[in-house]
Formats: sequence, C-alpha cells, structure tokens
Amino acid sequence: QSVLTQPPSVSAAPGQRVTISCSGSSSNIGENYVSWYQRLPRTAPKLLIFDNDNRPSGIPDRFSGSRSGTSATLAITGLQPGDEADYYCGAWDSSLSALVFGGGTELTVL
Amino acid sequence: QVRLVEAGGGLVQPGTSLTLSCAASGFPTTYAVHWVRQTPGKGLEWVAVVSFGGVDYYYADSVKGRFTIFRDNSKNTVYLEMNSLRPEDTALYYCARGNGPPLGRGRCDYWGQGTLVTVSS
Repeated sequence: QSVLTQPPSVSAAPGQRVTISCSGSSSNIGENYVSWYQRLPRTAPKLLIFDNDNRPSGIPDRFSGSRSGTSATLAITGLQPGDEADYYCGAWDSSLSALVFGGGTELTVL
Repeated sequence: QVRLVEAGGGLVQPGTSLTLSCAASGFPTTYAVHWVRQTPGKGLEWVAVVSFGGVDYYYADSVKGRFTIFRDNSKNTVYLEMNSLRPEDTALYYCARGNGPPLGRGRCDYWGQGTLVTVSS
C-alpha cells in the first residue's frame, strides 16, 4: 500500500483534458513539495513537475501541477497518443524520513 | 550533460549479496543521490538516499538493516550494497540525482536507465 494515493487508471480521448489526483497527509504533501514523474513504456522515469507546479525545461505547458492542502493534481491538456504512460506523484515525508511515491496511474489515450 | 549509469545487477540466490554502482557525470558532487526500484508489473518504490557529503543517509523500512548506500566522490560514484537478498527485492534498480528541499533530497530530477536484479533460487 503506497503512502500517496493515486487512481490506478484514467483515460480520455485525444485533444481532451485529464487530471490525476494524488492524496497524502500533513507529513508529506502537507509540508513538502510535490513532484510528478512520467514513465513511458520501457523507459526510465522522467521528472515532469517539481515544487508542486513548476516544469523543468523542455516539458510542454500542456502539463501542469497544483497542490491544495494534503492533495495534489496533475493536469494534462491537449492529450496526445504519446502521452500514454504511467504517472507517479512523489514527495518527501518528514515523519518517515523517506521519499514516498504514489502507486502510479496508467493513462490511456482512447 | 547530466548522466547516471547503473551497473552490477544480475541473478543471485536468496540470502546472498550484491553491490550496485551508479556512475555520475555532468554535475558536481554537491547533490544527493537516490536509489529507486521498480518491481515487475508494479510501481516505483524508493529505496535509499545519500547526501552529497555521504554523511546523511536514509532507507526505506523494507531494506533497513540489509542495504547500505555510500558514495565515493573521488570517483563520482554511488553504491548500494545489498545483503540478505530476498525474492521480493527483485526489481529494476534506478539511481537518480536528488534535488530540492529538504536538503537536496526532495525529488529525483535525473534518472539512469536502471540495472536489473533478480533474486531467485
């Protein structure tokens, strides 16, 4: 059971918008920054969003993040077939002294 | 160009040991480094992190007491010594550069390609 909770799967049609939720607690999302990672099939994970809502250089602005209280959300607009991947949220947990991840959400572009 | 290259994976029997290495380049040694694993068909599981100075380190409960993370900054390499291996340690092991608060370990901003560890008799 992961410390951060994500839906196992989401789906939407090309061009649509999809959101992925990530629920945590006061010791992780509540007091530390959230990051989001994309893992395309057969590739290493890639940082997509850091510090709740910042994009590393090279990440399109179709990807955005937000945080409210002990939850965070990843939004993807203008869905493309190449966005099909597993998405993970992560945050440092101050009580566990550990980096914690969500269980991952599989995105299907219909 | 930031690069991390893992090595040392393989097939080992339960109860034995294995040491993984992560050769880093393209950035100074003033960064923490994480090990994260991905089990077959499952998600990401954080394993351990070492601070840039090698003095501070943290472990997941699942590996505490069995795994040791350490670094040799003269070689720009981080190691993960794994003892008393179990079948449930079977995974693709990634090393990743740490960054962001707290103290540079809040996120993984660059990842290697991973090295596969299989624990089976």
